[in-house]
Amino acid sequence: AQSVAQPEDQVNVAEGNPLTVKCTYSVSGNPYLFWYVQYPNRGLQFLLKYITGDNLVKGSYGFEAEFNKSQTSFHLKKPSALVSDSALYFCAVMSAGNMLTFGGGTRLMVKP
Amino acid sequence: DVKVTQSSRYLVKRTGEKVFLECVQDMDHENMFWYRQDPGLGLRLIYFSYDVKMKEKGDIPEGYSVSREKKERFSLILESASTNQTSMYLCASSDPEGRSTLHFGNGTRLTVT
Repeated sequence: AQSVAQPEDQVNVAEGNPLTVKCTYSVSGNPYLFWYVQYPNRGLQFLLKYITGDNLVKGSYGFEAEFNKSQTSFHLKKPSALVSDSALYFCAVMSAGNMLTFGGGTRLMVKP
Repeated sequence: DVKVTQSSRYLVKRTGEKVFLECVQDMDHENMFWYRQDPGLGLRLIYFSYDVKMKEKGDIPEGYSVSREKKERFSLILESASTNQTSMYLCASSDPEGRSTLHFGNGTRLTVT
């Protein structure tokens, strides 16, 4: 069975500082990894995905994520956080069966 | 842009009522999904459908059923609502290509009293 862990319920960062939201996964076979963001009272929006190729994936709103196979991790990063980045972030993994399994979510709080 | 529309943003129902949650997508996607979202648990898959009149159970199907009579519409049915079904319900769609992204509706927050 596949699973995703987001070890931090909340991440606090000051505006302008770099941010990292952590994600580790467990899956048999090659992993396909996704990040989604949820703003208040909205559905989830796609940020980026890793299927194959370069381990550093660039996505929307200046976010990027680094795939690390040996550590089974797919951490979300941004060089300079904005207050408007404050939201709930979900990591997800897909196996060959094309079903997504989501992590529990991490709330990002960016303070001015 | 893909649009996934859930008919209600907020619903309050009584225990034992039959509840219908409706979802419509406008991109001719073949795949549609129903998730529930609970704090700390992330999103859990209830049911999904790969085609009209086709349905498959997800991870937590108990107490729910679905209907897909038309390609653009996927309905979630709570046969007899219970308080433990109070949650945020999210509908999503995707095209049939493997590893494609999901497009989500804005969610329906259901409260069962």
